[in-house]
Amino acid sequence: AQKVTQAQTEISVVEKEDVTLDCVYETRDTTYYLFWYKQPPSGELVFLIRRNSFDEQNEISGRYSWNFQKSTSSFNFTITASQVVDSAVYFCALKRDGTGGFKTIFGAGTRLFVKA
Amino acid sequence: DAMVIQNPRYQVTQFGKPVTLSCSQTLNHNVMYWYQQKSSQAPKLLFHYYDKDFNNEADTPDNFQSRRPNTSFCFLDIRSPGLGDAAMYLCATSRDRGEQFFGPGTRLTVL
Repeated sequence: AQKVTQAQTEISVVEKEDVTLDCVYETRDTTYYLFWYKQPPSGELVFLIRRNSFDEQNEISGRYSWNFQKSTSSFNFTITASQVVDSAVYFCALKRDGTGGFKTIFGAGTRLFVKA
Repeated sequence: DAMVIQNPRYQVTQFGKPVTLSCSQTLNHNVMYWYQQKSSQAPKLLFHYYDKDFNNEADTPDNFQSRRPNTSFCFLDIRSPGLGDAAMYLCATSRDRGEQFFGPGTRLTVL
């Protein structure tokens, strides 16, 4: 069975603080895909990043960085110098390769509040 | 800009009165999805189209139907909305099993 766990329900930080959103996944597949999506108060989910299971290279995009570790089945997301506009719900997600690969397994989401 | 468009953004219907939500895309993606999202929950997949092939999730109620007349358009029909069907409905697209691009959603209210 596949599962995505985001243990942090809500996080509140003050602007300019760094914050890490945790994501732990479970899958028996050797090939799979991991994603992060952002859902701001407007409601539209926005794709942030995709990582393939065979690519453990970490990625940085501006203030955003992702740490993928297969050994611990984690795909954590760090926002450096957070801003009020980062306030949103963030979903970590998993897709399998092959049969059933169109279904995205979402975590429950982490709501991030960034206070000015 | 290439995008996913959903109409209407807000829909109010009466209990039991059929409603249709629409989604269009300019991304030319071959997969289209419909999700239901209730407050403070993750999106729940209702069904998806892979090209013309329709794939229903096992737990999607029969009350929900979908049509995809062409690559660009997809419709969600709710035949007899109940109070429990009030939610945000999200349309998304992807190229094969890649990342999904979501529309802004339609918020459905059932009176």
